[in-house]
This record gives sequence, structure tokens and C-alpha cells, in this order.
Amino acid sequence: AQSVTQLDSQVPVFEEAPVELRCNYSSSVSVYLFWYVQYPNQGLQLLLKYLSGSTLVKSINGFEAEFNKSQTSFHLRKPSVHISDTAEYFCAVSVAGGTSYGKLTFGQGTILTVHP
Amino acid sequence: DTAVSQTPKYLVTQMGNDKSIKCEQNLGHDTMYWYKQDSKKFLKIMFSYNNKELIINETVPNRFSPKSPDKAHLNLHINSLELGDSAVYFCASSWTTGGYNEQFFGPGTRLTVL
Repeated sequence: AQSVTQLDSQVPVFEEAPVELRCNYSSSVSVYLFWYVQYPNQGLQLLLKYLSGSTLVKSINGFEAEFNKSQTSFHLRKPSVHISDTAEYFCAVSVAGGTSYGKLTFGQGTILTVHP
Repeated sequence: DTAVSQTPKYLVTQMGNDKSIKCEQNLGHDTMYWYKQDSKKFLKIMFSYNNKELIINETVPNRFSPKSPDKAHLNLHINSLELGDSAVYFCASSWTTGGYNEQFFGPGTRLTVL
């Protein structure tokens, strides 16, 4: 079975400051890794994902995440946050290959609050 | 045009009642899911259907019964509602079941059982 741990339940930062949201996972098989974002009263949206290849993946709005296999981590970073980044962020994994049937296992979520 | 839609958005009901939540996707996806988000925002998969066939059935009470009349719809029927069923229920869809595809989520249905 897979599990995902997001180490911080809440992260408050000031606008234009850098931020890191931490995610560690546990799995005995290879996994795909995802970050989803949930804005207030909305469904989740994919922010970025790691399937294979380069361990650094980037989103169109300035976030990036790095897959670290030895540390089983997939931390999310942004060098300069905006007020509009205020949301809840979920790290998730699914088993690589055809046996997962798309099942996503989510972490507990991290609420990012950006203050002016 | 909404990609994944759910109705109703809010549902308030008494214990013991039976209720349904409907989900529709217009993305042409062949796989649909139901997730439950509890009061602590923890998201957990409940069911998944691929081409109208049940492929994931987590340890969910059998009071919950999903129904997929066609690839674009996945409804959730809940019998004998209990207080612990209060949560936000999200429908999602994706291409195939390979696990690497983005899942598109609906806006959620907030169920409150009194």
C-alpha cells in the first residue's frame, strides 16, 4: 500500500517570499507523483506531475517540484508567491503501471496562506 | 462549459434518509471516480468506473452504491444516511486507468446529515 505525508498542515508566508511545501511518500513499488491545488469552494486542479525522466517538473504559474527517490520526497516550491496562491495543496501518488486503475492516494493537505 | 459537474452542490438531510448525488463529465473520458473529503480535508477514493465497469471499490459501507448508466455519468446513491456520512463528495474523471493521467475534479457536493 502507498501512503503520503505532508509535513506541514499550514504554511503562512508573506507575498513575494519563497515557499516550500513538503511531501514524503511510502511505497514498495514505483509511483507517479502529483500536486493538486484546491481553491476555496472549488474542486481540485492538477498543478504538476512527475511520471519519469527529469526529476524537476514545473507548472505554468511558477511552481516546481523535485522528485527525490532516495529521500522518497516530492517537495513543492515557488521562489516568489502571490496572494492568489492562497489555497490548499495536496500531494498524491498512484502506482506506476497498469495495476492502480488510476487510484490516487492523497496526503493530508497543506494550507498555504499568503499575506500582503 | 463545465467539464465535470455535480448536482446538488449542497445537500442537507436527516439521518436515515436516502439521497443521490449526480455527476456528469463532458470531456469524453472513460474513467470516473468518487472521492470523499472529510472534515479534516482528508481525501480518500471510494469508487472508480471504467467504461461503466466497477474497477475500484474501497472499503466503503454497502449503503453507498455507485451507478454508471453510461461513460459520461457516475451517480452515487446513499441509503440510511448516518452522521458520519457528512463530508464533501467529489466526482472526478480521467482518460483510461493507467494512473498517470490527470484527474479532473468536479466542484464537490457538501453533504450534511443532521
